[in-house]
Amino acid sequence: SQTIHQWPATLVQPVGSPLSLECTVEGTSNPNLYWYRQAAGRGLQLLFYSVGIGQISSEVPQNLSASRPQDRQFILSSKKLLLSDSGFYLCAWSTPDRELYGYGYTFGSGTRLTVV
Amino acid sequence: GNSVTQMEGPVTLSEEAFLTINCTYTATGYPSLFWYVQYPGEGLQLLLKATKADDKGSNKGFEATYRKETTSFHLEKGSVQVSDSAVYFCALSDMDGNKLVFGAGTILRVKS
Repeated sequence: SQTIHQWPATLVQPVGSPLSLECTVEGTSNPNLYWYRQAAGRGLQLLFYSVGIGQISSEVPQNLSASRPQDRQFILSSKKLLLSDSGFYLCAWSTPDRELYGYGYTFGSGTRLTVV
Repeated sequence: GNSVTQMEGPVTLSEEAFLTINCTYTATGYPSLFWYVQYPGEGLQLLLKATKADDKGSNKGFEATYRKETTSFHLEKGSVQVSDSAVYFCALSDMDGNKLVFGAGTILRVKS
């Protein structure tokens, strides 16, 4: 069966420090991968998505970047965090077939980032 | 572009009350529609879905019907429980198969 792992679960970082959040998927090949952010009291905003190794699409210009060094690994990074980067970050996966047949995405358990 | 509009919360109900959370969408073609639930401190879980007009998705006593004529996918439950307290997100998938689009989420609080 397929599983998705995100870590860490919580993170407190000072302003100006770097960030690296990791997401890995098991049990499937060539998944579509997604990073969403949920700011406090707000909905979900798609940040990045990837349909293959090294392929990253950015939905919103921002202080963050994403990389996909391996087929089932998706990393969210920042060189210098801002206070406004605080939020709940969710990784999700799907496949073209699952999306075609309306199965939606499967989400990880999320990382709560607080920038202080 | 595609968009999803949900009723604003928080919605506060007493246990065993009837629940409706409204969701309407704007999309080209025939998107798939979803309800996700986020319990406190957790990620999102798929609650139910519908892939074509007049389909009814159901799970855990919740249900929603895909209404193309009104572009709606309202979530209902006949008798809510305290354990249903969570944030509920309506979402649609666009026709190119990428990028699930979410509504802003509706907080549901159920009091005993």
